[in-house]
Amino acid sequence: SQELEQSPQSLIVQEGKNLTINCTSSKTLYGLYWYKQKYGEGLIFLMMLQKGGEEKSHEKITAKLDEKKQQSSLHITASQPSHAGIYLCGADDNYGQNFVFGPGTRLSVLP
Amino acid sequence: NAGVTQTPKFRILKIGQSMTLQCTQDMNHNYMYWYRQDPGMGLKLIYYSVGAGITDKGEVPNGYNVSRSTTEDFPLRLELAAPSQTSVYFCASRDRGEQYFGPGTRLTVT
Repeated sequence: SQELEQSPQSLIVQEGKNLTINCTSSKTLYGLYWYKQKYGEGLIFLMMLQKGGEEKSHEKITAKLDEKKQQSSLHITASQPSHAGIYLCGADDNYGQNFVFGPGTRLSVLP
Repeated sequence: NAGVTQTPKFRILKIGQSMTLQCTQDMNHNYMYWYRQDPGMGLKLIYYSVGAGITDKGEVPNGYNVSRSTTEDFPLRLELAAPSQTSVYFCASRDRGEQYFGPGTRLTVT
């Protein structure tokens, strides 16, 4: 079965700093999703990547999927306290039915 | 659209009791999912459904049952609750793209 690993497990940055979160899959990714979860709340969809080499941006968050489609990165530029939360990557199996999440990266942004 | 709704928001169960967590979506999505999230951990898939009448096990199905009699509803049944089932439960639905999540049900079994 497919497994996703995320690094780092947790991250504390000063406001204004850039940061990167990585997601690595044990198998080829057919659809990679990034979500954000505020503590104690549900998940908010950020971005979806499907094609090797694809890159998407929304406001100060950029996500990339590598050419081999086994690793994705999420980059936040000029972090703000509002970026704090848990970032999770998730992926479809190749049939698009079963779904697996990574363990999450806990981000704290200090003002 | 209300999106994905879950009830109840909170529940405390005694060991051995049973309960049903309700999940309803009004987006006519075929795919629906149940996850559990333990403290400080990621989400683990319990069961999923690709359409009315079709369900399948995810990563951690033991101790749970589901049914999908309609497109809108996907209830999760806990039989003989155990302390290990203390968790936050999330329901989600999707069409082909991203999943839409409900607000979660926080369950404590004591």
